Amino acid sequence: TQLLEQSPQFLSIQEGENLTVYCNSSSVFSSLQWYRQEPGEGPVLLVTVVTGGEVKKLKRLTFQFGDARKDSSLHITAAQPGDTGLYLCAGMGTSYGKLTFGQGTILTVHP
Amino acid sequence: GAVVSQHPSRVICKSGTSVKIECRSLDFQATTMFWYRQFPKQSLMLMATSNEGSKATYEQGVEKDKFLINHASLTLSTLTVTSAHPEDSSFYICSADLQGYGSNQPQHFGDGTRLSIL
Repeated sequence: TQLLEQSPQFLSIQEGENLTVYCNSSSVFSSLQWYRQEPGEGPVLLVTVVTGGEVKKLKRLTFQFGDARKDSSLHITAAQPGDTGLYLCAGMGTSYGKLTFGQGTILTVHP
Repeated sequence: GAVVSQHPSRVICKSGTSVKIECRSLDFQATTMFWYRQFPKQSLMLMATSNEGSKATYEQGVEKDKFLINHASLTLSTLTVTSAHPEDSSFYICSADLQGYGSNQPQHFGDGTRLSIL
């Protein structure tokens, strides 16, 4: 069974601060996806990283996939209240199509 | 982009009622769909993998007779919670992937169904 450890579980920061969310595993993933979820809605895909060492940027969000494809991070620069939400990492493993989800990070950005 | 539609968005019903939730892929064909359950402020837990034209594959600990899955077409999977009880109250989310359209395609999620059993 593949596990994906996501940390921190809760993050409460002030507007303008930077933050990093981590996802770590002992397993190799063929790809890793990051989602953001608002209360009462389904997760929305932010990015998919595929290649070891890959870095993708989405405005103030920077996603990195570890060289060994076992870990990933999400860095948000100058967080805004609109960034508040549940962030989920999910790895695509060896079982076709099945995603392994991290525990999620609840981010609250205070104005 | 790929769109997955889930219906209904919210259900409130009495204990003992069976509830059907639909998951549709609107602009693509999905041979595989996934059903998740999510408790408040927690991550998604995979319940089962729904395969078009064949039996669903259930995760360990998920009762297949309790959570009936039917994937009769390439665009529709249904989850029926049979004889629902208050402990079945949860947020149920479906997803479909585009693996048939290339490798490492992401999953796209429906907006979820909030099930409340009184």
